Amino acid sequence: TQLLEQSPQFLSIQEGENLTVYCNSSSVFSSLQWYRQEPGEGPVLLVTVVTGGEVKKLKRLTFQFGDARKDSSLHITAAQTGDTGLYLCVSDAGGTSYGKLTFGQGTILTVHP
Amino acid sequence: SAVISQKPSRDICQRGTSLTIQCQVDSQVTMMFWYRQQPGQSLTLIATANQGSEATYESGFVIDKFPISRPNLTFSTLTVSNMSPEDSSIYLCSVWDRGTVTDTQYFGPGTRLTVL
Repeated sequence: TQLLEQSPQFLSIQEGENLTVYCNSSSVFSSLQWYRQEPGEGPVLLVTVVTGGEVKKLKRLTFQFGDARKDSSLHITAAQTGDTGLYLCVSDAGGTSYGKLTFGQGTILTVHP
Repeated sequence: SAVISQKPSRDICQRGTSLTIQCQVDSQVTMMFWYRQQPGQSLTLIATANQGSEATYESGFVIDKFPISRPNLTFSTLTVSNMSPEDSSIYLCSVWDRGTVTDTQYFGPGTRLTVL
């Protein structure tokens, strides 16, 4: 089972600030996903990255996949209170194990007005 | 996309009792899964719910404690048996959907279980 190291575990920032969350593994990802979970809800998929060096943007969120496909980052520009939530990096076992996800420890983000 | 509902949304139970959680999907899906999220922690896969056959459990989870049913392609249940306070968690149903461009995993809203 692939282990995912996610950091930081907690982030508390003011509205308008920028932040970066990191996800690392000792082994290569076949693909990597980022989810956001709000209280009382299940995780919701934000993005899937597959190709080494890939960069994807989703409004103020920028996702990077390392060239060696062993690390990824999520950068939020000008954070808003609506960005508050639990951010999870996730890998899929792939192959015949579709849907069997391994989750990082998660980053709890709190954006204060 | 898939819309998933779970019942109950939350429950408070006594030690030693059992609770069955229902998961309903609005479309037929091949793969259904049950995850556990303990307080302040990330998600851990309990088992894959297989339609028409016994569920496949991950290390640390057994059928006697977490029996699972999946009678068809849109419905599954997870039972938490002989509960103890350590079973207090959020239990989430999830489905995997093969898309035309990318595959996507969807999660239900979760069932928040508190065991006294």
